[in-house]
Amino acid sequence: DAMVIQNPRYQVTQFGKPVTLSCSQTLNHNVMYWYQQKSSQAPKLLFHYYDKDFNNEADTPDNFQSRRPNTSFCFLDIRSPGLGDAAMYLCATSRGDSKNIQYFGAGTRLSVL
Amino acid sequence: QQQVKQSPQSLIVQKGGISIINCAYENTAFDYFPWYQQFPGKGPALLIAIRPDVSEKKEGRFTISFNKSAKQFSLHIMDSQPGDSATYFCAVTGGTSYGKLTFGQGTILTVHP
Repeated sequence: DAMVIQNPRYQVTQFGKPVTLSCSQTLNHNVMYWYQQKSSQAPKLLFHYYDKDFNNEADTPDNFQSRRPNTSFCFLDIRSPGLGDAAMYLCATSRGDSKNIQYFGAGTRLSVL
Repeated sequence: QQQVKQSPQSLIVQKGGISIINCAYENTAFDYFPWYQQFPGKGPALLIAIRPDVSEKKEGRFTISFNKSAKQFSLHIMDSQPGDSATYFCAVTGGTSYGKLTFGQGTILTVHP
């Protein structure tokens, strides 16, 4: 059974049109992460929540926002997608302990036309 | 500044051969060293991990070798199978990166039948 679920799997949006990606988890983990992964590259951390505490990476563009209304759900909002934002967006969760084992969803492939 | 350097970028191995992927890190505060495996269209999944107090960890055909003094660790895949064909990422966590993973650049492994 999928433990980290991302919807939709594929998302097409237009240049400049806001888009929201969603992630849910059944693991009851404290921490939820959003990564951007471009072709043949490593996942790049955008931000993460430790419970309700939001932690933004210094180089994450302001165009990217996130919401975590409760433990199970986390959303990635891209306010004005550009062509360079086309990528795979991965959600992950962890318990927040020292091992920091992260469980990833299958990702949402975003295309920007 | 790259905190983790991974090599090679790509690797082709015959079925039954040994695959070796190497990673080097700089920050001695890192205290957990996982390897993630990613198949096309999927999120990364934890494969095997090691703490710096041991020099080797083996799980089935997968072994991590860890050299604390050299600040290097490597993944060995014995008896490589076509089903092992995937992208492998080393990662580090701990110290000031507590709660976050820093990934290596990734290695695309192809195992020919």
